[in-house]
Amino acid sequence: SQKIEQNSEALNIQEGKTATLTCNYTNYSPAYLQWYRQDPGRGPVFLLLIRENEKEKRKERLKVTFDTTLKQSLFHITASQPADSATYLCALDSYSGGGADGLTFGKGTHLIIQP
Amino acid sequence: EPEVTQTPSHQVTQMGQEVILHCVPISNHLYFYWYRQILGQKVEFLVSFYNNEISEKSEIFDDQFSVERPDGSNFTLKIRSTKLEDSAMYFCASGTGTGSSPLHFGNGTRLTVT
Repeated sequence: SQKIEQNSEALNIQEGKTATLTCNYTNYSPAYLQWYRQDPGRGPVFLLLIRENEKEKRKERLKVTFDTTLKQSLFHITASQPADSATYLCALDSYSGGGADGLTFGKGTHLIIQP
Repeated sequence: EPEVTQTPSHQVTQMGQEVILHCVPISNHLYFYWYRQILGQKVEFLVSFYNNEISEKSEIFDDQFSVERPDGSNFTLKIRSTKLEDSAMYFCASGTGTGSSPLHFGNGTRLTVT
């Protein structure tokens, strides 16, 4: 069965350092991968999307890599700030075909940036 | 910036009762979704809706669930006979294209079944 694993349930990082979150998947051949941020009691907020033919994507202090051989995506936040503290979710399309496919989410990594 | 709105923010109901959760997706979006998140667990896909019909549904979306787009703006999720295990946060989402486009989520309805 399809499975997504995110590196740890919680990750503590000191302010100013780079936070690196991992998303591994098995039994998938996703055409793309998405990262979302979720704050307590709120809906997920889209951050970045990377396609299978892209190695890296950047947006301000965020960077995502996608290695289809390793079946892994890394999500980096550089110069981390306490406001970056949240749960970060990795999501893959459920099917390789088109249509209104649902996303399958990982359980998320709870990132805590300590001042 | 346009956003997805969901009402109510919290719904308490007794087991066996019917509930309807309401969503107003972003106006120019064509694809609509319902997800749920049981406390402490991952966000789970329930159903997608496009061109006035269900496009895809998960195993969770059984005969107790239904969706409707009664007019040009609302998108509803109905649970006919609620069970205790239906207690969760229900998120509506919408998007402009296929699954390769980002989804915009509402802030959810917390459903508590007693």
